[in-house]
Amino acid sequence: KQEVTQIPAALSVPEGENLVLNCSFTDSAIYNLQWFRQDPGKGLTSLLLIQSSQREQTSGRLNASLDKSSGRSTLYIAASQPGDSATYLCAVRGNTGGFKTIFGAGTRLFVKA
Amino acid sequence: GAGVSQSPRYKVTKRGQDVALRCDPISGHVSLYWYRQALGQGPEFLTYFNYEAQQDKSGLPNDRFSAERPEGSISTLTIQRTEQRDSAMYRCASSFGGNTEAFFGQGTRLTVV
Repeated sequence: KQEVTQIPAALSVPEGENLVLNCSFTDSAIYNLQWFRQDPGKGLTSLLLIQSSQREQTSGRLNASLDKSSGRSTLYIAASQPGDSATYLCAVRGNTGGFKTIFGAGTRLFVKA
Repeated sequence: GAGVSQSPRYKVTKRGQDVALRCDPISGHVSLYWYRQALGQGPEFLTYFNYEAQQDKSGLPNDRFSAERPEGSISTLTIQRTEQRDSAMYRCASSFGGNTEAFFGQGTRLTVV
């Protein structure tokens, strides 16, 4: 059974700092991994999708990496801004046993001005 | 439509009543997913549709929960004989295909009293 863990659960950093959010998963037989952002009371916004055959994806100040063999993904945020404050969720879709996508519990990020 | 639309945004119902939650996916999106999200947790997979076919319903918690997508577009999640433990945010997502980015709606906040 796939389990997705995100560390840390919460993080507070000063503006301008570079930071890394971690996601680990127990079953390496994945189809893809997607990072989302969730603002309080809002829906989920897709940030990056990494296919199982890819090692990383980049979008602006965001870079996500995937190491299937070790069951890890990282989301790197460069030059953090107060507007980056949100909960970041990692979601893994397995390639066996149906179409379930398993989410981690998220990392709550607060960027101080 | 421009995004995934869910209705109602908020629903308060008495225990024992049936409720129907609606999801209108992005036009042209083949894949549709339903999730349930508890406070402070990541979304929990409920079911997946490819066009009108329900290809994975392994996440539906019991037989009070059902979903349909009769014409391959709008989907309805129905909960019969609601219980207080059904109270949660119910989220719908859609994507072009099973291996492309998923886009989420704003969710329906269900409260069973």
